[in-house]
Amino acid sequence: DTGVSQNPRHKITKRGQNVTFRCDPISEHNRLYWYRQTLGQGPEFLTYFQNEAQLEKSRLLSDRFSAERPKGSFSTLEIQRTEQGDSAMYLCASSPGTENYGYTFGSGTRLTVV
Amino acid sequence: GQQLNQSPQSMFIQEGEDVSMNCTSSSIFNTWLWYKQDPGEGPVLLIALYKAGELTSNGRLTAQFGITRKDSFLNISASIPSDVGIYFCAEYTGRRALTFGSGTRLQVQP
Repeated sequence: DTGVSQNPRHKITKRGQNVTFRCDPISEHNRLYWYRQTLGQGPEFLTYFQNEAQLEKSRLLSDRFSAERPKGSFSTLEIQRTEQGDSAMYLCASSPGTENYGYTFGSGTRLTVV
Repeated sequence: GQQLNQSPQSMFIQEGEDVSMNCTSSSIFNTWLWYKQDPGEGPVLLIALYKAGELTSNGRLTAQFGITRKDSFLNISASIPSDVGIYFCAEYTGRRALTFGSGTRLQVQP
């Protein structure tokens, strides 16, 4: 296992379309996180899973956003009815379930809404 | 919400120079994390600090957890071109969420 894997790396979509991103965490990590990063800013927390349970959601996660981790392994993040303001880098990270170590991030999915 | 103030926003230095950047918060925290982000990639953890006053090194990098628990600094000694990137401090807020600063962009002239 070489780290956190995210697909696709880049996505260009038309406004109003739905998009889905996938994250495969490090296999022994039971915590998984989604972050969003816009240009010139640090990553902003969206949501967190422990195994398959979604335990925390940011107010940034509007009702157009939904995240799942059905079997406690990979996760998907779906954005419905995309808007230009959704254009950002979407980062996934994972961590072990024992202590508050810093996360391991994936390389991200860069979304451009045109 | 929580805010982490990083300074400077950007730095342009010559190869071989030492670099210092810091991060401050209005709140007290129990952990300080320092990450580096290369263009088009996710952040990579450099150093984690867990105790006030703690001084930790990772190669040419040294970071300290401020004694007031409201600040931290990161030093890079003898900079090299591959040190180029954006350096973020981060703190745990919420149950597991990290809050990141806005970053210090470092450029190194060979």
